[in-house]
Amino acid sequence: QVQLVESGGGLVKPGGSLTLSCAASGFTFSDHYMSWIRQVPGKGLEWLLYISDSGSTMYYAASVRGRFTISRDNAQNSLFLQMNSLRTEDTAVYFCAREGLNWNRGSLDVWGQGTTVTVSS
Amino acid sequence: DIQMTQSPSSLSASVGDRVTITCRASQGISNYLAWYQQKPGQVPRLLIYAASTLQSGVPSRFRGSGSETHFTLTISSLQPEDVATYYCQNHNSAPYTFGQGTKVELK
Repeated sequence: QVQLVESGGGLVKPGGSLTLSCAASGFTFSDHYMSWIRQVPGKGLEWLLYISDSGSTMYYAASVRGRFTISRDNAQNSLFLQMNSLRTEDTAVYFCAREGLNWNRGSLDVWGQGTTVTVSS
Repeated sequence: DIQMTQSPSSLSASVGDRVTITCRASQGISNYLAWYQQKPGQVPRLLIYAASTLQSGVPSRFRGSGSETHFTLTISSLQPEDVATYYCQNHNSAPYTFGQGTKVELK
C-alpha cells in the first residue's frame, strides 16, 4: 500500500544537526513533489519546504531557510531533511508528505506517521 | 506570504448538526484550497482539495466551497467520528500555509 515512513528523529542540543529520512513505497516516488511539515505537540501544522519530482527545485519557508536542506534519491525512493543550527523552537513532530498531481499539487494526500525532534540542552 | 485565518477556533455541536468552518486567505488563491482532518493522536488526513473536490474515500457529508479569499468546509450531519481539528491550507503558491485549525467537539 501507499506508505511513507520517517526516521531519524531524536534529542539534539541547540546548535546541533540532525538528518531525517522518509522512505516511500507503494507509488511512483519520482512522479511526486514532496514536502516536510512540522507540528509542535498540541499546536497547529507548519509547512516547511518542498522538493520537486526531479529534485531540481526546492522551496523553503522563511523559518527554516538557510538552516534546513531538503533532498531526495529517486532511485532509493527516499526523501531527506538535513537540519542544521537547530533551535529549541524547532522541537516538533516532523512529517513527510506526498503532494498530489496536477490540480491537487501542493495539497498533501499521503502523510508519514511523523518523527519527533527535540532540541534541548 | 499568504496568511490563512480560520474561524471559529473551536466549536461544540450535537450529532446530526450541520457544522460550518470558514477559512480566509489574505490574498486571492483561486480555488487552490485544501482541508485536512486531524483526529486526536493521528496524522492529518486530506479531505478536500481544489476547494471542493472530495478526496477518495471521504464521506459525502463533507463539502467544500469558495474561491479566491473566502472558503467554507461544511459537515452536513456531524457524526461522533468527526470529532477532530480541521485545517485549511493554501496550495496555490508556496509557502503552502495552513490555517490555525478549528477544533470540533461534541456537545
